[in-house]
Amino acid sequence: DGGITQSPKYLFRKEGQNVTLSCEQNLNHDAMYWYRQDPGQGLRLIYYSQIVNDFQKGDIAEGYSVSREKKESFPLTVTSAQKNPTAFYLCASSPGLAMNEQYFGPGTRLTVT
Amino acid sequence: GDSVTQMEGPVTLSEEAFLTINCTYTATGYPSLFWYVQYPGEGLQLLLKATKADDKGSNKGFEATYRKETTSFHLEKGSVQVSDSAVYFCALNTALIQGAQKLVFGQGTRLTINP
Repeated sequence: DGGITQSPKYLFRKEGQNVTLSCEQNLNHDAMYWYRQDPGQGLRLIYYSQIVNDFQKGDIAEGYSVSREKKESFPLTVTSAQKNPTAFYLCASSPGLAMNEQYFGPGTRLTVT
Repeated sequence: GDSVTQMEGPVTLSEEAFLTINCTYTATGYPSLFWYVQYPGEGLQLLLKATKADDKGSNKGFEATYRKETTSFHLEKGSVQVSDSAVYFCALNTALIQGAQKLVFGQGTRLTINP
């Protein structure tokens, strides 16, 4: 089955540690995205990538980093510089950035204490 | 910048009731409009979309019409079921640099259907 997988579903970390969230897709999509979701709020764009080895900052990139070494993979690192890292993180992909429909993974809930 | 405003929740209805969730938007240009649904603990699923004025998107008994004159895209369903309980997000696409686009989301409306 084609789709987007994110792992793990739940992640716990101590403050001051970096943590990397996984996102893999087998849809052969060019574009991938990371969003953050906080309770009672919509999704906010962290980073996006149009093609391999290229990515751009979204609206709330501070304290995050990404890489896009393979088309299928777009991992997100939440660094210790992120002031409020506890949130639900969603990865998405689309056939191309100009294609407006996005497909979402199941999400990773990160809790930092 | 572009934005989406949704009806505040939570919304609680009885099974078989009529549902309306209001959504209005502010945008330059002519965005496409979307409704996404999020079931508990899951990611978002596209429910329906409309790409131009007067288009009606529909899926699973839900409908929404792209109204340019009122900048609205209200979600409706004639008879809701318990399984429709979820959070619903209205969204539009907006331009980024280099021809890219992103989705701008409303804050979400939590819907609970009681048997």
